[in-house]
Amino acid sequence: DIQMTQSPSSVSASVGDRVTVTCRASQDISSWLAWYQQKPGKAPKLLIYAASRLQRGVPSRFSGSGSGTDFTLTITALQPEDFATYYCQRTNRFPLTFGGGTKVEIK
Amino acid sequence: QVQLVESGGGLVKPGGSLRLSCAASGFTFSDYYMSWIRQAPGKGLEWISYITSSGRTIYYADSVKGRFTISRDNAKNSVYLQMNSLRVEDTAVYYCAGDQQLANWFDPWGQGTLVTVSS
Repeated sequence: DIQMTQSPSSVSASVGDRVTVTCRASQDISSWLAWYQQKPGKAPKLLIYAASRLQRGVPSRFSGSGSGTDFTLTITALQPEDFATYYCQRTNRFPLTFGGGTKVEIK
Repeated sequence: QVQLVESGGGLVKPGGSLRLSCAASGFTFSDYYMSWIRQAPGKGLEWISYITSSGRTIYYADSVKGRFTISRDNAKNSVYLQMNSLRVEDTAVYYCAGDQQLANWFDPWGQGTLVTVSS
């Protein structure tokens, strides 16, 4: 199975900071990648699909980039509501797999 | 509004069975492929099963293959997960999630239902 590795596992940041989360696939997955945000006790929320396409209703401070094996989720000007855990997900073939998650914490 | 509501979770002994249900509303359910995804306490997300809109194509994660069965009833706007031979390691919040783009990313998600397997 293709493994998805996220880094860092956690990051401390302040409101207004730029935050970057990385996701690496163990094999080429083209642009078959999605990003989700999850807050404690809540279901995940789709942010980005096809590596770089912003889901409708998601603020433009979120962006995704990359293709092949290396992908990035960037949050520009972090807002208080952005403190959460972020997951990448490979979407190209079964079994579908998620990265281990990156927790964005308040510094 | 678009909504998925899971039910059927609870406490069950190892070796026991449970059937989870997920009821959809606010959208054309038969247009969506559906999946079940779980999250063990304090852990990450694990996709476990998928079913196409017709129900003809189904996939499972190796961790549940042979023990869990996914099904759907488009007339009732519902998807189900029959879980047999439950193990302690199946303890998790179980989410149902929809895929309208038929591209294996998930939106919407239900709120989740907790399954606890313990003696």
